[in-house]
This record gives sequence, C-alpha cells and structure tokens, in this order.
Amino acid sequence: DAGVTQSPTHLIKTRGQQVTLRCSPKSGHDTVSWYQQALGQGPQFIFQYYEEEERQRGNFPDRFSGHQFPNYSSELNVNALLLGDSALYLCASSLLAAVNTGELFFGEGSRLTVL
Amino acid sequence: GENVEQHPSTLSVQEGDSAVIKCTYSDSASNYFPWYKQELGKRPQLIIDIRSNVGEKKDQRIAVTLNKTAKHFSLHITETQPEDSAVYFCAASINQGGKLIFGQGTELSVKP
Repeated sequence: DAGVTQSPTHLIKTRGQQVTLRCSPKSGHDTVSWYQQALGQGPQFIFQYYEEEERQRGNFPDRFSGHQFPNYSSELNVNALLLGDSALYLCASSLLAAVNTGELFFGEGSRLTVL
Repeated sequence: GENVEQHPSTLSVQEGDSAVIKCTYSDSASNYFPWYKQELGKRPQLIIDIRSNVGEKKDQRIAVTLNKTAKHFSLHITETQPEDSAVYFCAASINQGGKLIFGQGTELSVKP
C-alpha cells in the first residue's frame, strides 16, 4: 500500500504564476483534504473533496481551487501566486463512510516556494 | 470562530522525564481530538486520538486527557526518549475524517 502520494515534492514559482499540485489517496479512501502549512505553523484546512464535489472549505480565497477525479485523486490549483503562498501543501485522505472510525492519512507534502 | 490554542511552543526535557502539552479549543461542537507528530521534513503522523465520550486514553508511554467542560485536552508522554523529539500538533474536529483545526505546534526536544 503506497499510502498518500503527492507530486511534485518541491517546486519554485514566481509571483503571479499558477501552480497545480497533485495527490493520490490511500487505497480504499474516497475523500481528499488539502492543508497549507506555513513554516513553523500548524496545517490550515483549505478544502475537502468527496464524489468529485467540494464538501467543505476553509478561509482561503478563490485563487485556491481544486478538483477530484473519478479515481479519487485530486488536484490543488493556486492562481496569481503571492509570496505568502510559500508553504508545504499537505494532502490527506480518508474514507467518508468511516467518518467516525477512520483515520486521516497525510502525504509527505509538496513544498512550494514563491519568489 | 474556530480556534485551537496550544502551549508551550517549545519544550525541552531530559531523557526519562515526562512531557505535557496542552490545548484549548473554542468550538463546543468539536468531538474528535487527534494528536500528530511531525518530524523535520516529514508528514504529520497520528500518534493518539480521543473522542468526546471518553475522558482519557492511553497507549504505552502516551496518554491523552480531555475535559469537555473546560474545552481542554492534553498530551502526556512518559519516559521520554531522544526519538520523541519532534513537533507535536493537537487538533480538533466536529467529526473524524472532516475538517481539522490544528494548534500552532510544540517543538519537543528530549536531551540524552
């Protein structure tokens, strides 16, 4: 079992550019959540996808958007990048039907640097 | 709004001593409280969790206590070892598998 896999692991962009991050959930999981972790801070919830729909959203601007595919994998897109978007972006997967018993599994993250 | 406060931000102990990290949450609807350990450059890993219908849970050297009335929960690590050194995060959620609100983290250093 490969667990939660994310790509790319590291990337550098410049202000104003756009970025797409990818996530494959743990086998058997159907729900994907994205978190932003700035240096020295706790992860902050961006949004969660289930059945290809955004199920919950945190306090992030519309520049942050996502998508979930029929195979449960997900993408996070960030437009018009700002310096403050530099962070580790974590993907986490879970099984919605096991919401009361299922653990949230995190990937290793994608580290984005905006110059 | 939803908020989780975590203290202390840094904690240094001698090997073999105990370590305690405390968190306070604001949303009274929260009923699931996990703790994550994050080593440098690694993903957060769940080490223990507790649900609101339980006041205490223990797993070997790690225990978590929950006071719903005061909206406090704490992580206790006994007989600390150098490999316990990491950043620890508490979190709160209305349901397991849903949106987690994380604390700011505690950097634990265990000195041999």
